[in-house]
Amino acid sequence: AQSVTQLGSHVSVSEGALVLLRCNYSSSVPPYLFWYVQYPNQGLQLLLKYTTGATLVKGINGFEAEFKKSETSFHLTKPSAHMSDAAEYFCAVSVGGSNYKLTFGKGTLLTVNP
Amino acid sequence: DGGITQSPKYLFRKEGQNVTLSCEQNLNHDAMYWYRQDPGQGLRLIYYSQIVNDFQKGDIAEGYSVSREKKESFPLTVTSAQKNPTAFYLCASSISGASNQPQHFGDGTRLSIL
Repeated sequence: AQSVTQLGSHVSVSEGALVLLRCNYSSSVPPYLFWYVQYPNQGLQLLLKYTTGATLVKGINGFEAEFKKSETSFHLTKPSAHMSDAAEYFCAVSVGGSNYKLTFGKGTLLTVNP
Repeated sequence: DGGITQSPKYLFRKEGQNVTLSCEQNLNHDAMYWYRQDPGQGLRLIYYSQIVNDFQKGDIAEGYSVSREKKESFPLTVTSAQKNPTAFYLCASSISGASNQPQHFGDGTRLSIL
């Protein structure tokens, strides 16, 4: 079975600073990896995904993530934080075959300070 | 615009009462999902359906029921057997049930106990 660990339930950065949200996964087969963002009282919006191919994935709003198989990681980064980035971020993993389940991490709340 | 509509946005349940949460999508997606979100817990899968007239239990199906009579609709009933129903409920859909397909989310229904 697959699992996801997001390191840090709360990350605080200054506006203009680097954003780094950590995600490690566990899977016995090659995973598909996703990052979602959730604003208060809203659903989740897909930021980016890794399925196959290039390991550095670019998403919306200037975010990107790199799949590192050797480290079983898929950390989310953004060079310069904006106030509008304040939200909760979820990493999720699924695997192929008959298991269609998307497993989510517990989320990281990003606070951006002026 | 295509998307997923969940209603109502807020719902209150009395003791011993069943309530039904609506989820409608006009994305022409085959697969639909219901998740429960509790603070600090991430998202947990309640039920999913990959095709009309077929659905499977997720990780926390006890106390919940679903139907999938139409492709665009996947209502969730929270029964009186669910002793702790207070949570944020999210409906999602994907093009197919394939693991590499991202899920698209509605804006959720917040259920509380009176």
